[in-house]
Formats: sequence, C-alpha cells, structure tokens
Amino acid sequence: GAGVSQSPRYKVAKRGQDVALRCDPISGHVSLFWYQQALGQGPEFLTYFQNEAQLDKSGLPSDRFFAERPEGSVSTLKIQRTQQEDSAVYLCASTPTAGRYQPQHFGDGTRLSIL
Amino acid sequence: QKEVEQDPGPLSVPEGAIVSLNCTYSNSAFQYFMWYRQYSRKGPELLMYTYSSGNKEDGRFTAQVDKSSKYISLFIRDSQPSDSATYLCAMSEETSGSRLTFGEGTQLTVNP
Repeated sequence: GAGVSQSPRYKVAKRGQDVALRCDPISGHVSLFWYQQALGQGPEFLTYFQNEAQLDKSGLPSDRFFAERPEGSVSTLKIQRTQQEDSAVYLCASTPTAGRYQPQHFGDGTRLSIL
Repeated sequence: QKEVEQDPGPLSVPEGAIVSLNCTYSNSAFQYFMWYRQYSRKGPELLMYTYSSGNKEDGRFTAQVDKSSKYISLFIRDSQPSDSATYLCAMSEETSGSRLTFGEGTQLTVNP
C-alpha cells in the first residue's frame, strides 16, 4: 500500500487479556516507531526499530509492553495483562532511512479500549 | 514540567481569519521542528518541518522558529473550514532515528 497500515483499527479487550497490534510500514522503510496517544494528548514515544533491531525501547511504560519486527518490515506491539490505563490510540510511523531527521509518516492507529 | 508546552485551546475562528498556533520548549537539544495536523480518528499528517531559526512558508502556512526563545509558531492565512483539526507541534534532536516529542495539540475550528 501507499501508506502506513495498522490493524485492527479498533480493539476492545477485557482487563487482563493480552492484545497484539500490527503495523505495516511503507514498503522499504528502514525505521519504524510506535507511539501511544491518550485522549486529548499528543502522541508519546514508545519504541524505535531500525530494520529488525530494536534500538530504543525507553518509552515502553512497563514490562507488559513488548514490540518486535523480526524481518525488518511488519511490526507487532504486544500488551500483556492489559490494564484500563492502557486504553489509548497506538500509532505507528515509518521513515525511509535511518539517517538524520526524516519526516515520519503515520498510520491511522489502533484505538484500544480496555474494559 | 513537560518538555513541550502547547495551549490545547479549543480555538474557534471565522472563515478567512489568520490563525496563530504556538509551542514553547525547554530542551535546547531539539533541532528539528514540525507541525502535524490530525483529523478526528486519523493519524497525524505532516504539514511542515524546519531545521533552522526563521520562517518557512508553504502556501497558506508559515512556520516560524525562534531557537533563542525556544518558541515556535504556525500561522494559517485565509483559514478554511477544512482546516478544522487538531494541530500538533513536534520536535526532535539531531540524532539518527530520533523520536518525536509532541505538544498536547491545539483543537481548531474554522466556522463558515
């Protein structure tokens, strides 16, 4: 596709369940970012991949959050034992290279609601 | 205190008005400055980005950066109802793969 694709668009889960969110970056893009956007707030950085290497995971809020990008393309963000405070929109962005500032292209996000 | 401060609004203006949106920041390591537009239930869309202090113009949009004051602005001329959205400022340091740090966004409504 032409842009960053995220699935599912909406996810409802009960507290304590595990969820997996998928990101398909723009084809050939080297860098991939995950952000969390709470209601009425700006996105906050979670983690960064360069190809398959996770180079920065300092924004992950707890060890319940785990991200992977095993083949350097599609990425999955997994949240274990979900809590109500995990309810947010999860955004994925990609850039063509890993050089200095590159414009980040965002998907439309996955809206996660924890009941 | 947040690294990036942005007035959340809401801001409501009549069609044709000039809109001024602003952010301040505290991290002097920020070198790249961006403005994103986000429509409801959509991802952020990059409007403009700039590296240096000064003005950058693109159509009806002008981005202004003052690094000495740690202050950035976005001006929208001849605002249109289709400009109604949330505007997010974002910044990053000069390192490869650098994360973006966002303001909380300003909600703008342009009334016909």
